[in-house]
Amino acid sequence: DADVTQTPRNRITKTGKRIMLECSQTKGHDRMYWYRQDPGLGLRLIYYSFDVKDINKGEISDGYSVSRQAQAKFSLSLESAIPNQTALYFCATSDLVTGGADTQYFGPGTRLTVL
Amino acid sequence: LAKTTQPISMDSYEGQEVNITCSHNNIATNDYITWYQQFPSQGPRFIIQGYKTKVTNEVASLFIPADRKSSTLSLPRVSLSDTAVYYCLVGYYNNNDMRFGAGTRLTVKP
Repeated sequence: DADVTQTPRNRITKTGKRIMLECSQTKGHDRMYWYRQDPGLGLRLIYYSFDVKDINKGEISDGYSVSRQAQAKFSLSLESAIPNQTALYFCATSDLVTGGADTQYFGPGTRLTVL
Repeated sequence: LAKTTQPISMDSYEGQEVNITCSHNNIATNDYITWYQQFPSQGPRFIIQGYKTKVTNEVASLFIPADRKSSTLSLPRVSLSDTAVYYCLVGYYNNNDMRFGAGTRLTVKP
């Protein structure tokens, strides 16, 4: 979805380096998410934020941190990258709805390789 | 946490109708059922959402029996471009436990 952008799209780094992945959205949504996907597997939730002042850990938050700089921006950091963090990372957004369940809109993904 | 179970993979041929079933035995009263489609190296894309009975849109239909312990995504007359992974999620708008499982890998053959 072009309304959700991620930078960089590809990144190769070395073990121990600090890496930041950025996500921006123009959908005006309050909720933002970071997922990782390993080959052949589903998506696993790393962190999510329901508004600027709200940050929550997901299933696999160890080794990651996030920053919600504004409603439209949500960054994911790897403080000291390790090889098993090599994966495809997705950012997603959703809006609070009354009734129903969140519909998430995903960015194009960032392919991260840690050597 | 509403857990879902789907087949790991399915094969079909162009022009056929494909039905993918998802089991969610511990679905809660407020939970909705949502299906996403994911192509390789792309983020998942919303297909359809429902609460009970049947929902239809321009892409698919979703059938939910009265007990809501399962649901079936129906793709009419599939084409090669429908080859993708399909995920079933169960949850509510303030539910922090919605999870993407491994999904069902659908392969459509000529």
